[in-house]
Amino acid sequence: LAKTTQPISMDSYEGQEVNITCSHNNIATNDYITWYQQFPSQGPRFIIQGYKTKVTNEVASLFIPADRKSSTLSLPRVSLSDTAVYYCLVAMDTGRRALTFGSGTRLQVQP
Amino acid sequence: EAQVTQNPRYLITVTGKKLTVTCSQNMNHEYMSWYRQDPGLGLRQIYYSMNVEVTDKGDVPEGYKVSRKEKRNFPLILESPSPNQTSLYFCASRTFGRGEETQYFGPGTRLLVL
Repeated sequence: LAKTTQPISMDSYEGQEVNITCSHNNIATNDYITWYQQFPSQGPRFIIQGYKTKVTNEVASLFIPADRKSSTLSLPRVSLSDTAVYYCLVAMDTGRRALTFGSGTRLQVQP
Repeated sequence: EAQVTQNPRYLITVTGKKLTVTCSQNMNHEYMSWYRQDPGLGLRQIYYSMNVEVTDKGDVPEGYKVSRKEKRNFPLILESPSPNQTSLYFCASRTFGRGEETQYFGPGTRLLVL
């Protein structure tokens, strides 16, 4: 199974922009890239999804280069409540229709 | 409100005592799945179902059973629980469509097997 690779952890301060990059070298042509946020003892929550170039919603932006082998989640002006684990997910195992989460990136926002 | 519900939210049991964790979704999603989450191991898929009466193993199916008799329900069954099944369990459902897939997760069930 192809996998995604993300930094294990990141630290930031309130008001800063945070960029989390995910590597997915074996992404398939029809795969989308999805990012989830998870707080302790809660289920992951969808943040943003994209296929190529740039996608923006009220929470975040997602930047995907032309080769689609990586993607960057951008969180503008983070607050303490953005402290969470962020997962990058790509639907790579289309035969099994199974989804594999990586270990995620633990973001710690300091005051 | 679109949601995935799980019951119970917390469960303490003893080794060998059969238990069932229920999962229900109200979004008419075809695909449902179960994950377990353990410290340092992230989310690992146990079983998934692509539609009624269609189920398949995920990455860690040993010791678990599932059934999908109705589209909205996908119970997880532990026939003979063991302490290594102590974990946080999440049910999820999602849509299909041209690679665009967004999962909705339930609130989680924390299981302790003594």
